[in-house]
Amino acid sequence: DQQVKQNSPSLSVQEGRISILNCDYTNSMFDYFLWYKKYPAEGPTFLISISSIKDKNEDGRFTVFLNKSAKHLSLHIVPSQPGDSAVYFCAARRRRIYPSGTYKYIFGTGTRLKVLA
Amino acid sequence: EAQVTQNPRYLITVTGKKLTVTCSQNMNHEYMSWYRQDPGLGLRQIYYSMNVEVTDKGDVPEGYKVSRKEKRNFPLILESPSPNQTSLYFCASSFALRGSGANVLTFGAGSRLTVL
Repeated sequence: DQQVKQNSPSLSVQEGRISILNCDYTNSMFDYFLWYKKYPAEGPTFLISISSIKDKNEDGRFTVFLNKSAKHLSLHIVPSQPGDSAVYFCAARRRRIYPSGTYKYIFGTGTRLKVLA
Repeated sequence: EAQVTQNPRYLITVTGKKLTVTCSQNMNHEYMSWYRQDPGLGLRQIYYSMNVEVTDKGDVPEGYKVSRKEKRNFPLILESPSPNQTSLYFCASSFALRGSGANVLTFGAGSRLTVL
């Protein structure tokens, strides 16, 4: 049961244009959503997060939008740069049933972004 | 430098030959976890540890063992590796996943394991 889905395995965008990466989820109990970026031969690194009580969070060129009614979030990169070429994972956090008061992250399958110079 | 260090980075082994992938973090994080990344499946959690001597199964624990005898180390043990354990493995750590705030996971660089 894939609770967090990234339906686009890859995306190509021209340098300077907007990149939009999408993520859909099925569990309404998620309370935080995060985006990680992964370069080849490196581990994922944190990019930006958003609480489920917000609908937008911005950090420089990166903005995450959350549409709770559609169970959809998106990451916008404006303007896109060649250095943004990487695999992007969205992740969602939910409370564990046990141990009580703890949480777990569920990751999507990733979208490979290629920014063309 | 704050980091999670995994070793080995690359390993080719044969079916049944026990191996250990080490993971060490220098950030005094309570929480540590192992993930495997497979094409089309994203990152799936194998085991996690809330603190020293506290470990629990993730979503795909079969064929793996872990231990957490010290706060900084969280080795992943494959007692009898099989080809379906060929994968890219990541160790991650964070402060305790409790309460408010999106605790950010810090990942190691990954260990690519091939079981023949």
